[in-house]
Amino acid sequence: DQQVKQNSPSLSVQEGRISILNCDYTNSMFDYFLWYKKYPAEGPTFLISISSIKDKNEDGRFTVFLNKSAKHLSLHIVPSQPGDSAVYFCAASPNAGKSTFGDGTTLTVKP
Amino acid sequence: NAGVTQTPKFRILKIGQSMTLQCTQDMNHNYMYWYRQDPGMGLKLIYYSVGAGITDKGEVPNGYNVSRSTTEDFPLRLELAAPSQTSVYFCASSSQGLSTYEQYFGPGTRLTVT
Repeated sequence: DQQVKQNSPSLSVQEGRISILNCDYTNSMFDYFLWYKKYPAEGPTFLISISSIKDKNEDGRFTVFLNKSAKHLSLHIVPSQPGDSAVYFCAASPNAGKSTFGDGTTLTVKP
Repeated sequence: NAGVTQTPKFRILKIGQSMTLQCTQDMNHNYMYWYRQDPGMGLKLIYYSVGAGITDKGEVPNGYNVSRSTTEDFPLRLELAAPSQTSVYFCASSSQGLSTYEQYFGPGTRLTVT
């Protein structure tokens, strides 16, 4: 039973437009959510996070929205840039600090 | 400050061989983790440690062993390698597991078992 799901394996957007990456979770014990970005042949790097007490967190071009009732979160990138092309992983953590990862969404931003 | 370093970067093993994947972090983090990533999949937790001398199993621990004798090092041991262990292995660390969830990852070790 996959507790964190990213249902879109890939997403392609035009440079300058908005990218929206989605993530669903099933475990009600998750209280902290993170997005990581991964380039080929590199390890993932932390991008942005949100606590379950909030419904939105913003950092520059990146905004994460959390809908607890729907057990859904999304990452918005505005405006999208070619350098944003990467695999994006959603992760969720309960209090113990361990994270459960989704399978990732490959974002391609076309110039 | 090198962050999280992993060696080797690549390795080819024959079935039944053993090896140790090395992981070192210089951020004085108490939590350390080992993940594997199979093609098209997410990261699966193999083992983790909340401090020196303390380790625990993750989702997919079979075929692996770990030890944590120091804060800095968290080696992963593969005994009797099998083709199913062909994967990319990532080590990660974080500062306070309860209040800071962000993990810092190493560059990965690509392992092929043939």
